[in-house]
Amino acid sequence: SQQGEEDPQALSIQEGENATMNCSYKTSINNLQWYRQNSGRGLVHLILIRSNEREKHSGRLRVTLDTSKKSSSLLITASRAADTASYFCATDVLGAQKLVFGQGTRLTINP
Amino acid sequence: SQTIHQWPATLVQPVGSPLSLECTVEGTSNPNLYWYRQAAGRGLQLLFYSVGIGQISSEVPQNLSASRPQDRQFILSSKKLLLSDSGFYLCAWSHARDPYTFGSGTRLTVV
Repeated sequence: SQQGEEDPQALSIQEGENATMNCSYKTSINNLQWYRQNSGRGLVHLILIRSNEREKHSGRLRVTLDTSKKSSSLLITASRAADTASYFCATDVLGAQKLVFGQGTRLTINP
Repeated sequence: SQTIHQWPATLVQPVGSPLSLECTVEGTSNPNLYWYRQAAGRGLQLLFYSVGIGQISSEVPQNLSASRPQDRQFILSSKKLLLSDSGFYLCAWSHARDPYTFGSGTRLTVV
């Protein structure tokens, strides 16, 4: 079964608004990563947050991690039409050598 | 710089035919290698991963197999394709706890 569960499954907002996506997971982790996928393409790494970190920023991206609740959120500020894509969280599971991906959030930014 | 090549980009194969998808990595040595499959509109399912030549871990019992004949080459195979093998296949590499770098994917349609 998938480790990560993203919420919502789909999100549609206006350009300029902020987009927030959530991810929950089940087991202990080394880190949690967020990836982006444009339709029909490979995934591109966005940001990695380690299990001992609570918040991380990269440009317009802000990621939080709450290991007590086993959850993470990805915030994209001042969204642009080019942000339209699917976003996946992936957990680097403690004791394993693999990433386990969630089902993803399909984000649509309307111009 | 490191690059990952995956081919072919699209493939249409009849049921019962064999399959061979190849993935090669350049610019690094001893990478961890991964094969994922993605059903339409869904998350990524880990199929196989390899931490070294000849070392293959299978995540899901199925009609597929993987091999790593060289350090930077990862091959996904099947002797007889099933309709359910259709999907988007993604190869990726990483080192230790680093983020993954994905190939551009192969869209396989079994008819």
